[in-house]
Amino acid sequence: SQQGEEDPQALSIQEGENATMNCSYKTSINNLQWYRQNSGRGLVHLILIRSNEREKHSGRLRVTLDTSKKSSSLLITASRAADTASYFCATDASRDSGNTPLVFGKGTRLSVIA
Amino acid sequence: ETGVTQSPTHLIKTRGQQVTLRCSSQSGHNTVSWYQQALGQGPQFIFQYYREEENGRGNFPPRFSGLQFPNYSSELNVNALELDDSALYLCASSFFGTVYEQYFGPGTRLTVT
Repeated sequence: SQQGEEDPQALSIQEGENATMNCSYKTSINNLQWYRQNSGRGLVHLILIRSNEREKHSGRLRVTLDTSKKSSSLLITASRAADTASYFCATDASRDSGNTPLVFGKGTRLSVIA
Repeated sequence: ETGVTQSPTHLIKTRGQQVTLRCSSQSGHNTVSWYQQALGQGPQFIFQYYREEENGRGNFPPRFSGLQFPNYSSELNVNALELDDSALYLCASSFFGTVYEQYFGPGTRLTVT
């Protein structure tokens, strides 16, 4: 079953605009990660935010996490046509230690029009 | 591009047949996880292998099985294929620990007819 739910399901913007995607989840987490997938290929890790962090930046990416609301957002600033992809949030399954499987949402399909 | 490779890239099988998918993990990683991604959905966790043993399993039937080899590469085997098994199968490697990111391969597209 899916843990996270991304919103919106699809987003279309002009090049240069900012894109914001949201993710909600149901259970407690150790960390939340965002991944990008181009055209049904492998997933690329973008950024990881731990449960005790509220905001994190990486280049043009900004991620926020609100554990009280069980939600996260991914902001891509100054979007480019190459940012066109599906974006997924993924949470761990919250075990005490060791590797935990990632639980993915259904993703947001971002289209950036040149 | 990650250092994770998968083979084959595409595969077409008939219902009832068996299939083996292969994954080579990134150098330095000792854990492999397998995911199934149906069209338009997010990846769903199948199982994970660490130290050549299954270390967690998602909601998949026993006809989904796997192996991990001493060099940390892995296989996913699916018996008695069903039409709903048609999907992109992704493997991801990582290093066993408490907080981690996973490195995904390009996937194997399986079509069951």
